[in-house]
Amino acid sequence: AQTVTQSQPEMSVQEAETVTLSCTYDTSESDYYLFWYKQPPSRQMILVIRQEAYKQQNATENRFSVNFQKAAKSFSLKISDSQLGDAAMYFCAYRRLTSTSGTYKYIFGTGTRLKVLA
Amino acid sequence: KAGVTQTPRYLIKTRGQQVTLSCSPISGHRSVSWYQQTPGQGLQFLFEYFSETQRNKGNFPGRFSGRQFSNSRSEMNVSTLELGDSALYLCASTVRSSGSFVETQYFGPGTRLLVL
Repeated sequence: AQTVTQSQPEMSVQEAETVTLSCTYDTSESDYYLFWYKQPPSRQMILVIRQEAYKQQNATENRFSVNFQKAAKSFSLKISDSQLGDAAMYFCAYRRLTSTSGTYKYIFGTGTRLKVLA
Repeated sequence: KAGVTQTPRYLIKTRGQQVTLSCSPISGHRSVSWYQQTPGQGLQFLFEYFSETQRNKGNFPGRFSGRQFSNSRSEMNVSTLELGDSALYLCASTVRSSGSFVETQYFGPGTRLLVL
C-alpha cells in the first residue's frame, strides 16, 4: 500500500528566510502525482504546488518550489523569502490511479506545522 | 464562482447518535470527495462520488456512508457515533482543466464534529 510520511511535525522559519519541508512516500507504481497543500489556521486548504512523476523538472510556483527525487521517493517543498502569511499546516499528498477506469484517490501525510517568526 | 460550502460548520453530538453533513461543490464540479482530518492521522480519504455514484471508498467502517444528488451536492452520514469520530470532516470538489491530465481539488472549510 502506498504511504506518505512527513517526519517534521513542526518547523519554524524567520521571516524572509528559506525553509524546506520534507516528504517521503512509498509506492511501487511508476506513474503518479505529488502535491503540497497548505491549510492556514481556520481557513480552507488550498493547493500550493503539484508534480507529475513522469516529469524530471522540478515544479515551481513563485516562492514555492519542490525537490523531487523519484528514485529516493522524496518530495520536499522549499519556501523562499518566507512571509507571515505562509504560516500554516502543510500536507504532502500522493495521488494514484486505483483502476483502469481512471478513478483515483489521494493519500495524505500527517502534516507539518510551519511557524513564521517576525 | 462560489467556493465549496459545507454545513454545518460545527456540530456536537453524543455517542450513539447519528449525524449528517452536507457539502455543496463548486458549480460545474461533478466529483466530490470526503476526508476525515484528525491531529494524529492527518487526512484520511473516506469516499468519492461522481455523477451520483460512489467511485472510490477508503478504509472506514460501514457506519460511514454517503450519497450524491443530481445537483452534485453530497451528504455523508455517520451512524452510531463513537468518541473517535471527533474530527474535522472536509469535502473537496474536483475539476479537470482542459489540457490537463490531473484534476484540481478545491476544499471546503470543513465541519468540525465533536462527539461527547
